[in-house]
Amino acid sequence: KAGVTQTPRYLIKTRGQQVTLSCSPISGHRSVSWYQQTPGQGLQFLFEYFSETQRNKGNFPGRFSGRQFSNSRSEMNVSTLELGDSALYLCASSPNRGPNYGYTFGSGTRLTVV
Amino acid sequence: AQTVTQSQPEMSVQEAETVTLSCTYDTSESNYYLFWYKQPPSRQMILVIRQEAYKQQNATENRFSVNFQKAAKSFSLKISDSQLGDTAMYFCAFMSLQGAQKLVFGQGTRLTINP
Repeated sequence: KAGVTQTPRYLIKTRGQQVTLSCSPISGHRSVSWYQQTPGQGLQFLFEYFSETQRNKGNFPGRFSGRQFSNSRSEMNVSTLELGDSALYLCASSPNRGPNYGYTFGSGTRLTVV
Repeated sequence: AQTVTQSQPEMSVQEAETVTLSCTYDTSESNYYLFWYKQPPSRQMILVIRQEAYKQQNATENRFSVNFQKAAKSFSLKISDSQLGDTAMYFCAFMSLQGAQKLVFGQGTRLTINP
């Protein structure tokens, strides 16, 4: 079966712009989580969505937002981009909430802000 | 808040050797899960092995096994008969059964398997 699909794979944006990243989970998976990966801060949790509702949010400014659609696909948006937002953004999906269900990651979107 | 520490930024071994990656964590909870993920150059995080804290038996997946010491809050990964395809970044991660359903990752260990 198809894995977690993240689009686009690469993105270059200018400071001040906004960007939208997409994540299509494995069919039947209802939980989607987002993580930011940078060389300095490592992997940090952004948000978790389940049944179209944000269940948890990490310690990120309000410029970072997201949503989940009825088909479980998720998008995250970053407004007023800063150089420090350059990172690999990873999405993970799971059949349900909780670590016992297992999380499958996508290959990420590499965002570069110039 | 939970923290995960991987004290070995880089490791290098010869093919077919056994290698152990270290991980320690800090939590006041008694029920949680621990994970080892592998991230090759393709960037996708791949689950290597998972351990439930309430299970005393160490998890094993083929050539991969863990040494889970709950009292010491230690969770090391042993890779036996290492292969070139094991070359990757390895991340140790923690997830609580309570509160936010999020993975807390360590800083990672870059493992290189040499031919």
